[in-house]
Amino acid sequence: QLQLQESGPGLVKSSETLSLTCSVSGGSLISSSHNWGWIRQPPGEGLEWIGSISYSGSTYYNPSLKSRLTISVDTSNSRFSLKVSSVTAADTAIYYCTRLPNGSPGDVWGQGTTVTVSS
Amino acid sequence: QSALTQPASVSGSPGQSITISCTGTSSDVGGYNSVCWYQQHPGKVPKLMIYEVSNRPSGVSNRFSGSKSGNTASLTISGLQAEDEADYYCSSFTSSITYVFGTGTKVTVL
Repeated sequence: QLQLQESGPGLVKSSETLSLTCSVSGGSLISSSHNWGWIRQPPGEGLEWIGSISYSGSTYYNPSLKSRLTISVDTSNSRFSLKVSSVTAADTAIYYCTRLPNGSPGDVWGQGTTVTVSS
Repeated sequence: QSALTQPASVSGSPGQSITISCTGTSSDVGGYNSVCWYQQHPGKVPKLMIYEVSNRPSGVSNRFSGSKSGNTASLTISGLQAEDEADYYCSSFTSSITYVFGTGTKVTVL
């Protein structure tokens, strides 16, 4: 059974770079049928799609975040990563990694990791 | 990209049917059959309930159904049960090759 697990610092200082990794187990990250992505949810708010990547490295970013985003993939270690630069308090959220089948931002989700941006 | 529009709250009594709307544009909901619905209980991970407008993943109750007309998609929950009380989010693929979520709807079972 495919499982995703986010990891990374729970506290990031304002203006610095947020870095998270999603480890994929129980299945292959190399798939022509799926992309891999990130979604976040600020406290008490709704879901926001951040971006996604294919196993070959093609990336797709939320236009409102694009200038600060980098999503990368490491197929040899079955993981993919998210970097958000120049963070502010508005980037405080639960960050989820997901598997994206065609037409869906996520059918398998990680448990989520809380990231707080401190001043 | 702007969030899809959902009602903030919908309520119903046990056994009743409720419908949640999700309104977008021709660049997202109206342009693609890639509308999904997610259920999220407090403190839990969102769960995919409907994909490609009207398809249910394995294990999702057939009390949940989806449809679309023009730029508006809908999720109907029939035979409402206490366990259905949760937040619901729609999502759609967009012409920018991205995804956008709805504003979310809190479903209350009276």
